[in-house]
Amino acid sequence: EPEVTQTPSHQVTQMGQEVILRCVPISNHLYFYWYRQILGQKVEFLVSFYNNEISEKSEIFDDQFSVERPDGSNFTLKIRSTKLEDSAMYFCASSEDPAGGEQFFGPGTRLTVL
Amino acid sequence: GQNIDQPTEMTATEGAIVQINCTYQTSGFNGLFWYQQHAGEAPTFLSYNVLDGLEEKGRFSSFLSRSKGYSYLLLKELQMKDSASYLCAVRCTRDDKIIFGKGTRLHILP
Repeated sequence: EPEVTQTPSHQVTQMGQEVILRCVPISNHLYFYWYRQILGQKVEFLVSFYNNEISEKSEIFDDQFSVERPDGSNFTLKIRSTKLEDSAMYFCASSEDPAGGEQFFGPGTRLTVL
Repeated sequence: GQNIDQPTEMTATEGAIVQINCTYQTSGFNGLFWYQQHAGEAPTFLSYNVLDGLEEKGRFSSFLSRSKGYSYLLLKELQMKDSASYLCAVRCTRDDKIIFGKGTRLHILP
């Protein structure tokens, strides 16, 4: 069964460093998303991406964040200068068609900022 | 503002039925999701309701009333593996911004 994959599974970085989190969505999906979940808290929407551009973003997704689809398979989230409060699980998701409902989540990348 | 409310925790017995309620007040509505999340894992899709009524899928059913801003997830014939958090989430816009509730942690007792 096709699935969303994410790398790395765990990333540790120093405050102020840049990190890039990678995702490979399901191959025939056209809509891509990033969410984060701080330990013990709810899942929070960051950004949605369609047709090579951001379609929606939350107030969390400030200038420190960017997304890119550098080739036909990868979808990346970059945090330019990490802060302690960026420590969280980051989930990538994809869907074939938002009207169809289901978003398939990847296993997540746990980001720890020291 | 956006608000999704669901109970923090519930406990039920193996083999029984449990209903997890969710109420929402959001600036737009284009569907309601239920996800299951085991500790340390990603959410997995359970159901999606756009229209009022009951959607049944095996042991799980989900109900929506848009006029009341209310949904519930019904789990039948509970199994120990159903111990997890259940997340209610609302799709607010056509562009698919989804707002999640804090989740209901369900404990299943033998």
